[in-house]
Amino acid sequence: ETGVTQTPRHLVMGMTNKKSLKCEQHLGHNAMYWYKQSAKKPLELMFVYSLEERVENNSVPSRFSPECPNSSHLFLHLHTLQPEDSALYLCASSPQGTDTQYFGPGTRLTVL
Amino acid sequence: GESVGLHLPTLSVQEGDNSIINCAYSNSASDYFIWYKQESGKGPQFIIDIRSNMDKRQGQRVTVLLNKTVKHLSLQIAATQPGDSAVYFCAETPNFGNEKLTFGTGTRLTIIP
Repeated sequence: ETGVTQTPRHLVMGMTNKKSLKCEQHLGHNAMYWYKQSAKKPLELMFVYSLEERVENNSVPSRFSPECPNSSHLFLHLHTLQPEDSALYLCASSPQGTDTQYFGPGTRLTVL
Repeated sequence: GESVGLHLPTLSVQEGDNSIINCAYSNSASDYFIWYKQESGKGPQFIIDIRSNMDKRQGQRVTVLLNKTVKHLSLQIAATQPGDSAVYFCAETPNFGNEKLTFGTGTRLTIIP
């Protein structure tokens, strides 16, 4: 275990559903990240939070909405997704001011 | 734009042999590099990192080599074991501490018993 947990591990949703992904880190880190991992493509950075402030929003569609209530928790709220949004969504954390990121196990999302 | 990529998408190695996984990067300003291992159904796992002021760094059964002249990074795994079977990918950043990594697509390593 890396100290970063994600729930749920698997999620199937329709295009009209609203769901949320949760990430929790137990490492005392101050930066948290959301990535999208699709088959045969590099990890795509979606959002970065540092000290609970969003510092990066990588041109992500508004149907993805992040929330970071504190330095240990990160959420990704999903609504009206498209089938092409099906992917593995990974959360990571790092100590502030470093790039050594530690990943959670991911949530496998399928949009029908 | 800058890119981080791997020479080979797949690599098969006999158990017990050494394996070498390569990574080419294009940003000459890249300052910090990480190798990750991702097993099926799991998130990427940190293996080893190296700063650009170093040429070599060793861990347990792993060695990372950095050749800044040709912008090449390699991961050597000694005495491979079945548990080493995974996808390995490198990541880099030009500014250590800016909390933004660029990832390669990955090489799938298969250990043959």
